Amino acid sequence: DAGVTQSPTHLIKTRGQQVTLRCSPISGHKSVSWYQQVLGQGPQFIFQYYEKEERGRGNFPDRFSARQFPNYSSELNVNALLLGDSALYLCASSYSGTFSGNTIYFGEGSWLTVV
Amino acid sequence: QQQVKQSPQSLIVQKGGIPIINCAYENTAFDYFPWYQQFPGKGPALLIAIRPDVSEKKEGRFTISFNKSAKQFSLHIMDSQPGDSATYFCAASIRTGFQKLVFGTGTRLLVSP
Repeated sequence: DAGVTQSPTHLIKTRGQQVTLRCSPISGHKSVSWYQQVLGQGPQFIFQYYEKEERGRGNFPDRFSARQFPNYSSELNVNALLLGDSALYLCASSYSGTFSGNTIYFGEGSWLTVV
Repeated sequence: QQQVKQSPQSLIVQKGGIPIINCAYENTAFDYFPWYQQFPGKGPALLIAIRPDVSEKKEGRFTISFNKSAKQFSLHIMDSQPGDSATYFCAASIRTGFQKLVFGTGTRLLVSP
């Protein structure tokens, strides 16, 4: 079975531009979460979506938005890119929306560089 | 109160040694404590997780020790191997809440041959 797949794997954007990152969860998983990992730090929670609804949001500005589609795939959008948005963006999926008896599985991430 | 503090930042051990990584938390609502292993260019992968109603959990060569009163937990890697060289993250969450993991800052482990 395929794991969590993310695209693109690497991209370079210019300050002020907008970016869309995509994630396909493991087959059968209904929850998708997004994390930002700045080089040398631990991942920071951005969003969780479960059954196409936002269940939780981290301490990120409104420039960050996401959505989940009927097939449970997800997109993360970042507008008005800043240099500080340069990071590895990780998608994670799980079967249900909590950690009760559930494991979340991370994808390999999308490396975003803002110049 | 949402932080998880992790130490050391980096660690070098010889093959066969037992590296120990420590984490501490403040939020008493946390009740799910996983450890993740991350290799360069890869996403984090779950190693082992513990709930605060047990003091120790073993899975293969990996052991978590948990001290609820001190709000501390640690990862021990028995008989460490060069293939264990990676960055290790502790994390915490509320098991029945939404899936927000609060990660530590990571420990870069190097196991020398």
